[in-house]
Amino acid sequence: GQQLNQSPQSMFIQEGEDVSMNCTSSSIFNTWLWYKQDPGEGPVLLIALYKAGELTSNGRLTAQFGITRKDSFLNISASIPSDVGIYFCAGQTNAGKSTFGDGTTLTVKP
Amino acid sequence: EPEVTQTPSHQVTQMGQEVILRCVPISNHLYFYWYRQILGQKVEFLVSFYNNEISEKSEIFDDQFSVERPDGSNFTLKIRSTKLEDSAMYFCASSEQGTYSQYFGPGTRLTVT
Repeated sequence: GQQLNQSPQSMFIQEGEDVSMNCTSSSIFNTWLWYKQDPGEGPVLLIALYKAGELTSNGRLTAQFGITRKDSFLNISASIPSDVGIYFCAGQTNAGKSTFGDGTTLTVKP
Repeated sequence: EPEVTQTPSHQVTQMGQEVILRCVPISNHLYFYWYRQILGQKVEFLVSFYNNEISEKSEIFDDQFSVERPDGSNFTLKIRSTKLEDSAMYFCASSEQGTYSQYFGPGTRLTVT
């Protein structure tokens, strides 16, 4: 089946620092999605990317859909304590099935 | 803002019992999904549903699982005879179109004892 490699697995940063995480796949996806999950809750959609090469921002978050359609990255600028959580990438096929990465656990030290 | 809702938030059941997990997708959405997440692991796709039939299912979604849209608003996941390894968070999601963003509900924590 399709597999996504998400890195890094975890990050410990100081408040105010920028963060970058990425996902790569051996398969092509039509859509890339980035989610944030807090403990005990469902994933919350942060950014959706629909076209290869697309660069999209949502506040302090920026994500790009790789030109090969096999990768995506998410950047968070000027991190704040409430950015703490697990970030998941997900690649989506035409049928809508989303394949999730293993997640990046972000810890922000004040 | 419209959101996906799920009930119950936590279900405890004995091995071998049937459970039904309920979801109310966002009202103008046409595509519905179930995912599960075992504690500490990633989210895994179970099934997608469109136009009253299953569009795609994973190898996890075996004969013990079924989905139904019994009326215009609910979407259910039934596990016929639960096993210990079915213990997980189960998330419902919905989207306007198949390739559009999927919005997740808060999940149902299923504990099989």
